[in-house]
Amino acid sequence: KAGVTQTPRYLIKTRGQQVTLSCSPISGHRSVSWYQQTPGQGLQFLFEYFSETQRNKGNFPGRFSGRQFSNSRSEMNVSTLELGDSALYLCASSLDSPTNEKLFFGSGTQLSVL
Amino acid sequence: DQQVKQNSPSLSVQEGRISILNCDYTNSMFDYFLWYKKYPAEGPTFLISISSIKDKNEDGRFTVFLNKSAKHLSLHIVPSQPGDSAVYFCAASGYSGGSNYKLTFGKGTLLTVNP
Repeated sequence: KAGVTQTPRYLIKTRGQQVTLSCSPISGHRSVSWYQQTPGQGLQFLFEYFSETQRNKGNFPGRFSGRQFSNSRSEMNVSTLELGDSALYLCASSLDSPTNEKLFFGSGTQLSVL
Repeated sequence: DQQVKQNSPSLSVQEGRISILNCDYTNSMFDYFLWYKKYPAEGPTFLISISSIKDKNEDGRFTVFLNKSAKHLSLHIVPSQPGDSAVYFCAASGYSGGSNYKLTFGKGTLLTVNP
C-alpha cells in the first residue's frame, strides 16, 4: 500500500506570492489533516478534511486554506506569503478520525519564503 | 496556551541505557495519548499510544506510562539504540475548547543515543 504522498518536496517563493501544496492520502483513508512544523514550535494543526468537508480548524489566519476532492486528495493554499510562513508543511491521513487513530504522515513540503 | 508540553528540548543517552522522555498536559479532557518519532527529512511515524483508561502500554523496547492525576506521561526506551536518535513528539486528543475534539502535539524532544 502506497504511503501518504506530498508534492512538491521543496518550494521557494517570495513574499506576497501564493502557493499550493498537494497531498495524496493512503488509499481508503478519508481524513486528511495538515500541520505546520517550525523549529521550536512543534507541529501546529492547520485543518482537517473529511469527505470533502472541513471538519476542524486550527488557529491560523484566513490566508491558509484547503480543500479536499472526492478521491480524498487534498490541497492547501497559502496566499500573500510572509517570511514567517517558511516551514515544513506536513499532511497526515487516517481512516476516519485523526483523534483516536494513528496518523500516517507524508514526508512534507519544505517551503522557504524569501 | 500550550496544552501539551515537552519541557526537555533535547536528551542524550548512551547506547544500551534507558531513555526517558517526558510529557505534561494541562487539559483534563484529553483521553488518548500518542508518541510519534521523526527523522530529519521524513514525516513523523507512529510509535505507541495509550488510552486514559490504562496506566501503561508496552510494545517491545517501548513503554508508555500515564499518570492521570499528575497529567503526565512518559516514554521509556530500553535498551536505547543509535537508530532511536530522532525527534519524539507527544500528542494528546480530546475536547480542546468548545466542542472541538482534536489532536494536539508537543514541541518535541530530540533524543541522541551515543554509541
